[in-house]
Amino acid sequence: EPEVTQTPSHQVTQMGQEVILRCVPISNHLYFYWYRQILGQKVEFLVSFYNNEISEKSEIFDDQFSVERPDGSNFTLKIRSTKLEDSAMYFCASSVVRAGETQYFGPGTRLLVL
Amino acid sequence: AQSVTQPDIHITVSEGASLELRCNYSYGATPYLFWYVQSPGQGLQLLLKYFSGDTLVQGIKGFEAEFKRSQSSFNLRKPSVHWSDAAEYFCAVGPAYSGAGSYQLTFGKGTKLSVIP
Repeated sequence: EPEVTQTPSHQVTQMGQEVILRCVPISNHLYFYWYRQILGQKVEFLVSFYNNEISEKSEIFDDQFSVERPDGSNFTLKIRSTKLEDSAMYFCASSVVRAGETQYFGPGTRLLVL
Repeated sequence: AQSVTQPDIHITVSEGASLELRCNYSYGATPYLFWYVQSPGQGLQLLLKYFSGDTLVQGIKGFEAEFKRSQSSFNLRKPSVHWSDAAEYFCAVGPAYSGAGSYQLTFGKGTKLSVIP
C-alpha cells in the first residue's frame, strides 16, 4: 500500500540554524500539507500546497517557514532560523483532491531545537 | 472557528473489554469527521471517516463511530479491545475551506489508550 514517507525521523539543531524536513507524498496525490504537534498539544495545520504554490497557510506559518516541491516527488518544509518553540513533531500529509478526501499522513519528523 | 474536544486524555481498559472514546466538535456546517490512530513511531493512520449518509460508520480494525448531530459528537467504539489497540487516537474535523485548493483538518488533543492484558 502506498504511503507517505518523511526524513529524517529525528533532528536536533541549534537555535538559529536552518532545517529542512523532507517528505515524499503518495505518487498520484495532488495536495500536500504540513502539520505540527508540540508535545502535549494538538496537531495543528501549518500549510497546504497545490499546483506548485501555497493554497492556504495558518498564522503559525510565518516568514521563517517555506515549502517547496523541488522535483516530482519531494515536498519540503524549511525553517529558516529555528527557535526553541519550533520544537515539535512535524507531519506531512497528502491527498488526491481537496475537500472530502482523506489526508494520508507520514510518520513525522521529531525536531528538537536547543 | 471550528474546534474538536477529546475530553479523555488517557483511558485504560482490559483486553476484551469494550471501548468508547469521546469526541465533540464545533463547526458551523455539516462537518467531515475523522478518527486517526497513531502507534508509537508511526504516522497517523485513518481508522474511519464520516462525510454523509448513515450516521454509524465502520472502520478498520473493528472500530466504528456514530455521528450524532444533536450532541455534536462523533464517538469511537470497539466492542472488544485487543492489546494491539494500545495507541493514541485523534478525532479531527474538516473542511476549513477558507480559500481555493485547501482542506485543512482541525484535530483534538488525542486520547491515549492503554490496554491491560
